[in-house]
Amino acid sequence: DAGITQSPRHKVTETGTPVTLRCHQTENHRYMYWYRQDPGHGLRLIHYSYGVKDTDKGEVSDGYSVSRSKTEDFLLTLESATSSQTSVYFCAISEDRGRSDTQYFGPGTRLTVL
Amino acid sequence: RKEVEQDPGPFNVPEGATVAFNCTYSNSASQSFFWYRQDCRKEPKLLMSVYSSGNEDGRFTAQLNRASQYISLLIRDSKLSDSATYLCVVRVTAGTALIFGKGTTLSVSS
Repeated sequence: DAGITQSPRHKVTETGTPVTLRCHQTENHRYMYWYRQDPGHGLRLIHYSYGVKDTDKGEVSDGYSVSRSKTEDFLLTLESATSSQTSVYFCAISEDRGRSDTQYFGPGTRLTVL
Repeated sequence: RKEVEQDPGPFNVPEGATVAFNCTYSNSASQSFFWYRQDCRKEPKLLMSVYSSGNEDGRFTAQLNRASQYISLLIRDSKLSDSATYLCVVRVTAGTALIFGKGTTLSVSS
């Protein structure tokens, strides 16, 4: 299994509070991604990173920001959590984004916003 | 039209059965194709990539039909442990995001 951990694994918070989710990898892969998964939807990309301090938006980036100050860590921040951000969040990594790119997923963080 | 469409199922089959899942994608420029497996409340895991010529991995066979924009996954001799949700995944070009279908749920019973 790819060395990816996510913390926390579960979190319950209140509307309006800031929340930061952490993804940590030991594979030294260049690319990291944040997805959310909701019933009735496939996994949807929030943000991704192609290197330290290099990030870009995905399909559902509104309300989220990210930071990557080290190769191994990719942080997802909800500046002011809303109930619509209740979801399961998965981090993924890949070595490159070429045609044969394979993404490996972390165990997920289950976030509930009350 | 959704970018990647799958029959959500559930598919309920007995052990030993052969089952096939289908997937269609909307963007004809898509270049890379995958099947991922996701167990309940777990992360998705790569099952296999799908190549134009078709490919097989043990009991699993994947096929791609670019003309019809159709991908399939065949599971032979189903095991209880095959029970999971199978995600069809497409990438348009290198360097772009993976696009996931909503998944097809398989339940194998004894």
